[in-house]
Amino acid sequence: GAVVSQHPSRVICKSGTSVKIECRSLDFQATTMFWYRQFPKQSLMLMATSNEGSKATYEQGVEKDKFLINHASLTLSTLTVTSAHPEDSSFYICSATRGGGTYEQYFGPGTRLTVT
Amino acid sequence: AQTVTQSQPEMSVQEAETVTLSCTYDTSESDYYLFWYKQPPSRQMILVIRQEAYKQQNATENRFSVNFQKAAKSFSLKISDSQLGDAAMYFCAYRSFQGAQKLVFGQGTRLTINP
Repeated sequence: GAVVSQHPSRVICKSGTSVKIECRSLDFQATTMFWYRQFPKQSLMLMATSNEGSKATYEQGVEKDKFLINHASLTLSTLTVTSAHPEDSSFYICSATRGGGTYEQYFGPGTRLTVT
Repeated sequence: AQTVTQSQPEMSVQEAETVTLSCTYDTSESDYYLFWYKQPPSRQMILVIRQEAYKQQNATENRFSVNFQKAAKSFSLKISDSQLGDAAMYFCAYRSFQGAQKLVFGQGTRLTINP
């Protein structure tokens, strides 16, 4: 199967600092990766779509300068939360697709971010 | 823009019984995919079943089946012989057939299995 990993699984950072979350496709090349945010007991909210070598496409209402997304290779995308604040505390999930017209998104296990 | 609605925030069922989770969606597209995902307490999203809109036959995966009504824009999930391991959040999702591959999720239904 297709495996997507995220690192770290949990992170606590102080308000005002930046934190980076990595999303890796372990056994396939991911032409497209997605970043979601999930608040407690709520659904997944798409933040942005990233294609390898291109700038990410952000959903309406998502601050580009706050949530920096880099998709530098076909197996790695990173989400950097800059100048984090307590309201950024959430569960962040990435997913990846193989491309080529396939339909399935493979999800990572998620990262719980807590900003103190 | 497409929207997905799950009108049942919570459902419960006795172990070994059958339960149906509802999902409706709104779209102007004729070709698309529909999915049901399961999110157990571990938070890992797991694909349960998918349906291509151009297929009239309802998808089935072991104990899981869907009732896809394209004209009514309805996509319900039936779980037969419910097991304790089926307890989870279930999300219905929509994806366009072409263009952006992003998923649009419903609000989710929390399913509890009573032993």
